[in-house]
Amino acid sequence: KAGVTQTPRYLIKTRGQQVTLSCSPISGHRSVSWYQQTPGQGLQFLFEYFSETQRNKGNFPGRFSGRQFSNSRSEMNVSTLELGDSALYLCASRLGQGFDEQYFGPGTRLTVT
Amino acid sequence: GQNIDQPTEMTATEGAIVQINCTYQTSGFNGLFWYQQHAGEAPTFLSYNVLDGLEEKGRFSSFLSRSKGYSYLLLKELQMKDSASYLCSPGDSSYKLIFGSGTRLLVRP
Repeated sequence: KAGVTQTPRYLIKTRGQQVTLSCSPISGHRSVSWYQQTPGQGLQFLFEYFSETQRNKGNFPGRFSGRQFSNSRSEMNVSTLELGDSALYLCASRLGQGFDEQYFGPGTRLTVT
Repeated sequence: GQNIDQPTEMTATEGAIVQINCTYQTSGFNGLFWYQQHAGEAPTFLSYNVLDGLEEKGRFSSFLSRSKGYSYLLLKELQMKDSASYLCSPGDSSYKLIFGSGTRLLVRP
């Protein structure tokens, strides 16, 4: 079974631009969560989608948004990029029924200059 | 509020035993996960506790006390490849996983 995949793996953007990251969960998994990881803050929860609906949301500004498609693939978008948005963005999938183990993708390394 | 407290760094010797402690506060509780993360890589699942007590899995064991909001991860027969960050992650009432900054473990020869 293929693992969680994320594209692109690396990205360089300029302040003020917007970016879209993509995540394909493990086949059969209906829940996708997004995290931001920085050296100082650790793993910060962004949001979780289950069956195309946002089920949970972290404490991030409205510039961060996401969506999930009917095939469970998910995208997250960051608009008006700031230098502080430079981070590793991790996506994780799980079955979504109750409390299941999360499987993480390799992440997208975003650098904002 | 929601809070996780783990030591920032620990050092141990190859072949030894190390215990990584974690205290947590969450809005509701639905189990606790431990993840391992090597530098530059994604976290990988190590263990899951939902009831009080010890769960053993090879060289790794994890303990949970829900009344104390406390867990620990025990690593035995340490190997150099165990040098990594270890993340304690409780789940809250909405099944959301909360992560702290993790404990960076350095295993020395």
